[in-house]
Amino acid sequence: NAGVMQNPRHLVRRRGQEARLRCSPVKGHSHVYWYRQLPEEGLKFMVYLQKENIIDESGMPKERFSAEFPKEGPSILRIQQVVRGDSAAYFCASLGKGSTDTQYFGPGTRLTVL
Amino acid sequence: EDQVTQSPEALRLQEGESSSLNCSYTVSGLRGLFWYRQDPGKGPEFLFTLYSAGEEKEKERLKATLTKKESFLHITAPKPEDSATYLCAVQAYTGANSKLTFGKGITLSVRP
Repeated sequence: NAGVMQNPRHLVRRRGQEARLRCSPVKGHSHVYWYRQLPEEGLKFMVYLQKENIIDESGMPKERFSAEFPKEGPSILRIQQVVRGDSAAYFCASLGKGSTDTQYFGPGTRLTVL
Repeated sequence: EDQVTQSPEALRLQEGESSSLNCSYTVSGLRGLFWYRQDPGKGPEFLFTLYSAGEEKEKERLKATLTKKESFLHITAPKPEDSATYLCAVQAYTGANSKLTFGKGITLSVRP
């Protein structure tokens, strides 16, 4: 997986709590993508970020979801007031500046909402 | 809207029995078609990128081909360790480094 790191690997939350998912891209990569994989579904794009900028958030639910990629530190996907339908695997992918179009994926965070 | 359809949903092969996985796509302008492998509980692992019709790429027992409407992943003499879910994705010419649109994947099981 070319060094993309995600944590935690597993996260359990009760309905109404907040979930914070972290992604550290490959060292030197400045583009981060978040995808969600629901059971029996394919990977669905959520958001594309570069350092300090959101480039494309067309796949993000309008409410409760937000993402950031600060100048320093990992990218964060934040889900407020989680519901059972948010249970899924969340994957981060990174892409290097000036590189080809290949997105390299991390191991994912499995979110379970009780 | 870009769409990717993979078939069959699942495929069971005997070790050594060659076969092909299909990926049909519609996209507003194809920038690239990607194949990934995903093992249970893990993230997708990059296999190939194809950019234009007629292009072929090979890696060990796998060969990917591309036409204007579909891509095939040919598996020659598969081994049990090739068992995984194979994902196909397209990237459109909507901007540099744009998102990937994935199919649901094909789950391949290879019996020894």
